[in-house]
Amino acid sequence: AQKVTQAQTEISVVEKEDVTLDCVYETRDTTYYLFWYKQPPSGELVFLIRRNSFDEQNEISGRYSWNFQKSTSSFNFTITASQVVDSAVYFCALMWVSGTYKYIFGTGTRLKVLA
Amino acid sequence: SAVISQKPSRDICQRGTSLTIQCQVDSQVTMMFWYRQQPGQSLTLIATANQGSEATYESGFVIDKFPISRPNLTFSTLTVSNMSPEDSSIYLCSVAPQETSTDTQYFGPGTRLTVL
Repeated sequence: AQKVTQAQTEISVVEKEDVTLDCVYETRDTTYYLFWYKQPPSGELVFLIRRNSFDEQNEISGRYSWNFQKSTSSFNFTITASQVVDSAVYFCALMWVSGTYKYIFGTGTRLKVLA
Repeated sequence: SAVISQKPSRDICQRGTSLTIQCQVDSQVTMMFWYRQQPGQSLTLIATANQGSEATYESGFVIDKFPISRPNLTFSTLTVSNMSPEDSSIYLCSVAPQETSTDTQYFGPGTRLTVL
């Protein structure tokens, strides 16, 4: 069965600390996509990154970086030098094709960055 | 990415009534989705709404409770019927625009529904 696990329910860090949000997934498919979304207190979900199952390259975008490892079925997200504006709930998601596109979201990790 | 709007942004409704939520996109998209996010929880897909065909509902969701319309490539509605307090949630629509990548979803701002 397809599954996304975000074991960290809530993380608190002090501003400028680095923080890593974990995401572990399960899937039988060889072709799939992984995503991270940010949901700030305003509630709107913001797309951060997409990675397909054939591309294990790590990605860096400013203070954000992602580490995709198929060997451990993980797609972890690191924020470097965290800021108060990073405070949000972060969701990891898995997509696969089964007749149509199928998506499943993890339970989310609430990140609190303290000034 | 597409610009997505939802109406209403929030509502408070009485038990037993129905509410129709509208989702408007600024460009034509094939795939639109409706999600529910209960307080403090993750997102659960209700159904996929493709223009010109019946919506495809996920396990646990039925058309009688959540009828969906998709009259064209920029608009969809979700109705929450015969509401009960358990229906209090945020309802989100999302789209997967072809001009970016059809597998990436972009979300509307959500509709916060409270049922008394």
